[in-house]
Amino acid sequence: SQTIHQWPATLVQPVGSPLSLECTVEGTSNPNLYWYRQAAGRGLQLLFYSVGIGQISSEVPQNLSASRPQDRQFILSSKKLLLSDSGFYLCAWSVSDRGSGYTFGSGTRLTVV
Amino acid sequence: AQSVTQLGSHVSVSEGALVLLRCNYSSSVPPYLFWYVQYPNQGLQLLLKYTTGATLVKGINGFEAEFKKSETSFHLTKPSAHMSDAAEYFCAVSNLGGTSYGKLTFGQGTILTVHP
Repeated sequence: SQTIHQWPATLVQPVGSPLSLECTVEGTSNPNLYWYRQAAGRGLQLLFYSVGIGQISSEVPQNLSASRPQDRQFILSSKKLLLSDSGFYLCAWSVSDRGSGYTFGSGTRLTVV
Repeated sequence: AQSVTQLGSHVSVSEGALVLLRCNYSSSVPPYLFWYVQYPNQGLQLLLKYTTGATLVKGINGFEAEFKKSETSFHLTKPSAHMSDAAEYFCAVSNLGGTSYGKLTFGQGTILTVHP
């Protein structure tokens, strides 16, 4: 069966420090991968999505970047965190099928102090 | 392009009362529709989905939703609320084609509060 792993669960980082959040999927090949952020009262914001290795689409300009070095690995990074980067980050995967929906990871709570 | 509107960012019900969470969509073609639930500090879980066929869809935890094309709606209901239903609920529609095939567009979410 397919599973998705996201870590760490919580993270407290100082302003200006780097960030690396990792997401891996097991049990499937060539998944579509997504990074979302939830800030308080702002719903789900799609940050990046990827349909293949090295293929990254950015939805909004921001202080973050994403990479997909392997088929089932998706990494969210920042060189210098801002206070506004605080939030709940979710990774998700899907197949290229309209009816499949997404499977989400358990999320990372990031607090920038 | 598809879009989803969830009416009411907060809904409050008493335990045992009917739960009704509203979702309206916009789509130029027959939509594929989803409801997800998110408990605090957790990821989203699929409650139910409509693709084709029967318009009344049953999901987990006693929830169901009815696809009404004429009303462009996909409202989520549960006959009797339980305290454990307190969570945030998201409606979503699946995109059509190109590189966005299968990509979901989410509504803004509805926070459900259940009072004893």
